[in-house]
Amino acid sequence: GENVEQHPSTLSVQEGDSAVIKCTYSDSASNYFPWYKQELGKGPQLIIDIRSNVGEKKDQRIAVTLNKTAKHFSLHITETQPEDSAVYFCAATWDNYGQNFVFGPGTRLSVLP
Amino acid sequence: NAGVTQTPKFQVLKTGQSMTLQCAQDMNHNSMYWYRQDPGMGLRLIYYSASEGTTDKGEVPNGYNVSRLNKREFSLRLESAAPSQTSVYFCASSESQGAGNTIYFGEGSWLTVV
Repeated sequence: GENVEQHPSTLSVQEGDSAVIKCTYSDSASNYFPWYKQELGKGPQLIIDIRSNVGEKKDQRIAVTLNKTAKHFSLHITETQPEDSAVYFCAATWDNYGQNFVFGPGTRLSVLP
Repeated sequence: NAGVTQTPKFQVLKTGQSMTLQCAQDMNHNSMYWYRQDPGMGLRLIYYSASEGTTDKGEVPNGYNVSRLNKREFSLRLESAAPSQTSVYFCASSESQGAGNTIYFGEGSWLTVV
């Protein structure tokens, strides 16, 4: 089955700097890769996603890149702000009814003022 | 719009006690899920219900049972709680399974088994 690894497990950056979180997946059949943000005491929420037919997707200060050959995808946050501090999860799945998401172990991002 | 609502938010159990976590969604979603979240291990799927009337085991089903009561409600039961079940539990739902579906999570239930 699918296995998703995520690095780093913790990341501290200065406010205004960029943050990058990387995930690797094992199953080449996976074709959909969402990123979820979990704020303290809350459930995870979708912030951005990408399909395998696209190499990059941007939404304001966040972007996701995908390298299908290397089977890895990354979350990029630019101009970080204190409210970006949270735990971020990547996930992978594919187009198949009955297929569930496999989540990475998470990255705790701290943005220092 | 409430989304996914789960109760209770906090619970302390003694080893061997039983309890049920309740979950309801108001988005008319077909699929519902129970995850547990442990430090360094991310979100692990316990059980899921692809559609009303069906339930299936996920990655870590041992020690749990579920009931899909109707389209809105999906409960998780611990029959005989063990300290290893100390965790944060999340109920979630989505329109359907697979790629392109957004999973909506509840706010979590913190369970401690002593």
